Amino acid sequence: EAGVAQSPRYKIIEKRQSVAFWCNPISGHATLYWYQQILGQGPKLLIQFQNNGVVDDSQLPKDRFSAERLKGVDSTLKIQPAKLEDSAVYLCASKPGQSSYNEQFFGPGTRLTVL
Amino acid sequence: RKEVEQDPGPFNVPEGATVAFNCTYSNSASQSFFWYRQDCRKEPKLLMSVYSSGNEDGRFTAQLNRASQYISLLIRDSKLSDSATYLCVVNIAGEGQGFSFIFGKGTRLLVKP
Repeated sequence: EAGVAQSPRYKIIEKRQSVAFWCNPISGHATLYWYQQILGQGPKLLIQFQNNGVVDDSQLPKDRFSAERLKGVDSTLKIQPAKLEDSAVYLCASKPGQSSYNEQFFGPGTRLTVL
Repeated sequence: RKEVEQDPGPFNVPEGATVAFNCTYSNSASQSFFWYRQDCRKEPKLLMSVYSSGNEDGRFTAQLNRASQYISLLIRDSKLSDSATYLCVVNIAGEGQGFSFIFGKGTRLLVKP
């Protein structure tokens, strides 16, 4: 079974530029998450989708971050404009169903460096 | 108080040693609990779920204490390959349909020959 795919794997941009990340979850997984993981920290949830609807975006900095999952499959996360403190690994994860006991599967992440 | 707290370590142990990590959580309404393992520059992967009755998977034992709001992970007979960061994860019901996974910062384990 194919895992969660993410691209690009690495991105270097200058502050105030824009960047977008793409995620393709495991086939059939209704729930999709975007996390931000700063070096030395655990992943921090940015946004959670159930199919194409947003379930939780309470920690998403909405003045600069946006995400969508238009057809309930692939998702994109955008940062516009980027700040130095956005340097982190952006992890996408998916899981089947809504049960709290389901395992979530992570993609390899996109490592963003903002200069 | 932070939602999920872990000792960041590192825990330096010799091969064959037994090591234990604890994790405390602040939300008494937390539904489910997990330990994830994260290798350097890799994504987190599920190590084991933590059940109320405690559970064991080979050399790994996880326990949950709801009254004191902590979970633990015990690793017996440590191997060099156990060196990694262990993330405590708590699942909390959100306001909508879903559940939010709250991660601790992780505990780093270094197993030495």
